[in-house]
Amino acid sequence: DVKVTQSSRYLVKRTGEKVFLECVQDMDHENMFWYRQDPGLGLRLIYFSYDVKMKEKGDIPEGYSVSREKKERFSLILESASTNQTSMYLCASSPSGQGFYGYTFGSGTRLTVV
Amino acid sequence: DQQVKQNSPSLSVQEGRISILNCDYTNSMFDYFLWYKKYPAEGPTFLISISSIKDKNEDGRFTVFLNKSAKHLSLHIVPSQPGDSAVYFCAASAGGFKTIFGAGTRLFVKA
Repeated sequence: DVKVTQSSRYLVKRTGEKVFLECVQDMDHENMFWYRQDPGLGLRLIYFSYDVKMKEKGDIPEGYSVSREKKERFSLILESASTNQTSMYLCASSPSGQGFYGYTFGSGTRLTVV
Repeated sequence: DQQVKQNSPSLSVQEGRISILNCDYTNSMFDYFLWYKKYPAEGPTFLISISSIKDKNEDGRFTVFLNKSAKHLSLHIVPSQPGDSAVYFCAASAGGFKTIFGAGTRLFVKA
């Protein structure tokens, strides 16, 4: 069964902390994505990557960075966590030419910044 | 600037009846449209998609209709079942890697 695995289901961090959210996929997908989900706003794209060491900004990259050192792993980094980054974070992957294939999502990490 | 809009936050339907979820978009460059289903505490799962060269795609109880002139698509679920109760996200892509999602519609199917 193909999978996207997010390392934590729930995280509580303090304001100003550096936070790492890890995502691993076992499908040999080229493309990986980080979204955040907020009520009334749906899923908003933070960053995506279409190859190892490649990254592209999404619609809301401010306050975030990413790392993709290996094809299967895509990490989201909150350089200095703030309360407005409290959200559900979703990682996804897809093969190249994703058109009809859709994304495979992880189960999400609910991050609370206090 | 919401390029993909789902104007109904929630929808309630009786078991066995049809559920119709609607979605509007503004970007005429979108060439793939997708629907995802999301249960609480899980990630969204891909449900069905349609290319902009088609106006209908069917998969079992799920049918997606695309009206390009109106920039509107809809998802029909027939017959609706209690297990269909979830949040449904409409999404669109312009042939690249970015997929834009709507805000979601929560469907309640009453037994």
